[in-house]
Order: sequence, then structure tokens, then C-alpha cells
Amino acid sequence: EPEVTQTPSHQVTQMGQEVILRCVPISNHLYFYWYRQILGQKVEFLVSFYNNEISEKSEIFDDQFSVERPDGSNFTLKIRSTKLEDSAMYFCASSEDPGVYTEAFFGQGTRLTVV
Amino acid sequence: AQKITQTQPGMFVQEKEAVTLDCTYDTSDPSYGLFWYKQPSSGEMIFLIYQGSYDQQNATEGRYSLNFQKARKSANLVISASQLGDSAMYFCAMREPSDNFGNEKLTFGTGTRLTIIP
Repeated sequence: EPEVTQTPSHQVTQMGQEVILRCVPISNHLYFYWYRQILGQKVEFLVSFYNNEISEKSEIFDDQFSVERPDGSNFTLKIRSTKLEDSAMYFCASSEDPGVYTEAFFGQGTRLTVV
Repeated sequence: AQKITQTQPGMFVQEKEAVTLDCTYDTSDPSYGLFWYKQPSSGEMIFLIYQGSYDQQNATEGRYSLNFQKARKSANLVISASQLGDSAMYFCAMREPSDNFGNEKLTFGTGTRLTIIP
């Protein structure tokens, strides 16, 4: 069964360092998303991406964040200068189409710890 | 106002019993989708079941069913014959139309932690 894969599963980084979280969405999907879940809290939308550009971003997604689809399969989230409060589980998701009646499939997440 | 409200932070249920996890939602749009996801302790988000706002029948998927009461704006998840492996966090989520094409993002509730007791 096709699935969204994320790497790495865990990442520990020092405050101020850059991190890149990688995702391989399901191959025939065209709509991609990043969500974040701070430990013990609800899942929050960060950004949506379609046709090589950002469709929408939340207020969390400030200038420290960027997304890219560098080739036909990968979708990346970069945090330029990590802060302690960026520690969270980051989920990549993809959808076959953007409609409200279509489920989004999530990757297994990358647990980012900023020390 | 919260878009998705899950009022049960935690529930304990005896194995083999049925359990209902509550979810109410708030939207003024007539078109929307409601989704339930399971998050085990390992952390991944697993899609369980979906209900569209125009669906006449309640969705079912194996032991999962969705009790959709549109007038009350509720979309409760029912798990029949609970198993130890059902112990996890459960999130209700909604997808609404967006002015930005491709951004029908999911809005999640705060989740319910379900623990199945042997």
C-alpha cells in the first residue's frame, strides 16, 4: 500500500542550527502539507503546497521556515535557525486532490528536539 | 470559537466493550469533510474513517463507525468490540473549502486518549 515516508524519524539539533526534514509523498498525489504537533498538544497546520508553490501558510510558518520540492519525489521543510520552541513532531501529509471529501495521508512523523 | 471540540481528554474502557469518542464541529459552510485519525504511542497518524457533509448514511469501516448528526454538528467515532491495540490518542478533524486552491487543510481537535483495560 502506498505511504508517505519521512526522514529522519528523530533529529536532535542545537539551537540556532538549520534542519531539513524530508518527506516522500504518495507518488500520484499533488497536494502536500506540513503539520506540527508540540508534545501533548493538538496537531497544527503549517503550510500547504501545490504546483511548486505555497498555497497557504499559518502564522506559525514565519520567515524561519521554508518548503521546497527539489525533485519529482521529495518535499522538504527547512527551519533556518531553530529555536527551543520548534521542538515538536512534524508531519508531512499528501492528498490526491484538495477537496474537502478527500483524506490526507500522513507520514510517520519526524520528532525534532532542539537543545 | 473552536472549529473542532473533543470534550473527553481521556477514557478507560474494558476490552471487548464498545466505546464512543465525542466530536463536535463548527462551520458555516455546507460542504465539509470530517475525519478521524488514530495516533498510537509510536507517534504516527493513521487515517481511520471519513464522513462527507452530504453523505446520507453514517460511514463504517470495519469496527469503526461514525455517528454523524448533522443538525447537532456532531461526528462521534464508535469503536465496537474494543481491543488492547485500540489504546491510542484519537483525533477528530475537519476539512473545509478554501479560497486558496489546494489549501483545504485539516483542522484538528485536541484529541481523546483511549486506554483499553484487559
